Amino acid sequence: DAKTTQPPSMDCAEGRAANLPCNHSTISGNEYVYWYRQIHSQGPQYIIHGLKNNETNEMASLIITEDRKSSTLILPHATLRDTAVYYCIAHPGANSKLTFGKGITLSVRP
Amino acid sequence: EPEVTQTPSHQVTQMGQEVILRCVPISNHLYFYWYRQILGQKVEFLVSFYNNEISEKSEIFDDQFSVERPDGSNFTLKIRSTKLEDSAMYFCASSEPRLEAFFGQGTRLTVV
Repeated sequence: DAKTTQPPSMDCAEGRAANLPCNHSTISGNEYVYWYRQIHSQGPQYIIHGLKNNETNEMASLIITEDRKSSTLILPHATLRDTAVYYCIAHPGANSKLTFGKGITLSVRP
Repeated sequence: EPEVTQTPSHQVTQMGQEVILRCVPISNHLYFYWYRQILGQKVEFLVSFYNNEISEKSEIFDDQFSVERPDGSNFTLKIRSTKLEDSAMYFCASSEPRLEAFFGQGTRLTVV
C-alpha cells in the first residue's frame, strides 16, 4: 500500500465542519483512498472511499485532488461523538489487507 | 444493521495457555480477517481468509497462530501458547468481494 501522511491531531468546534487532510503522493493508479475511524478502542469503522471523483455519503464527503496526491475528509457538522482517530489508507480495494498508520486524532470541542 | 460479533469481549489467560477468540462475520460476507492492536499502537494486520484457506498473513502470524471457520458461520483465531506480548485488542473483520471491511468491537486479550 502507498504510504499516507496525516497531521497527528486537530480540533474543531461542535456543529462546524471538520476538514481532515491526507497526503498520498505515491498512490498508485489502482489504489483507492479509504477512510476509517476508531472511537476509543472500538473496532475501526468504515467511513467512505473514492478513486478519482469526489464522494459523499450519509457520514462524510471525500474530496480528492485532480492529481490524486492528496485528499480531504469532510464531516459537515461535527458532533462530540465524532471525536476519534481517523485513518486515511491508500488501498487496492481488492479484499487485501488494510494498512493502518497512526491516523489523525480529531477532538470535537463543545 | 448487520454487524460482526466477537466473543468474549475480554479474555484473561495465563502465559503458555491456549486461547480461542471467536467471531461471527456478517452472513453474506466471503472474506474474513484478523487484526490486532497493542495498547497505544497501530492496528496491525494478522491474516486474511477466503474460500476456507489463508489468502495472506503477516510476519506476526507465526506458527503459534491459526484460524479456522469450523461451521460456516464462526471464524476463530487460536493462539497455541500465549506470551505476554500477545496482550492486545484483537479485531475480526469481514467483507464482500471488492467492498469495504466491517470490523467487530474486538476482544481484549490480557496475558498474565
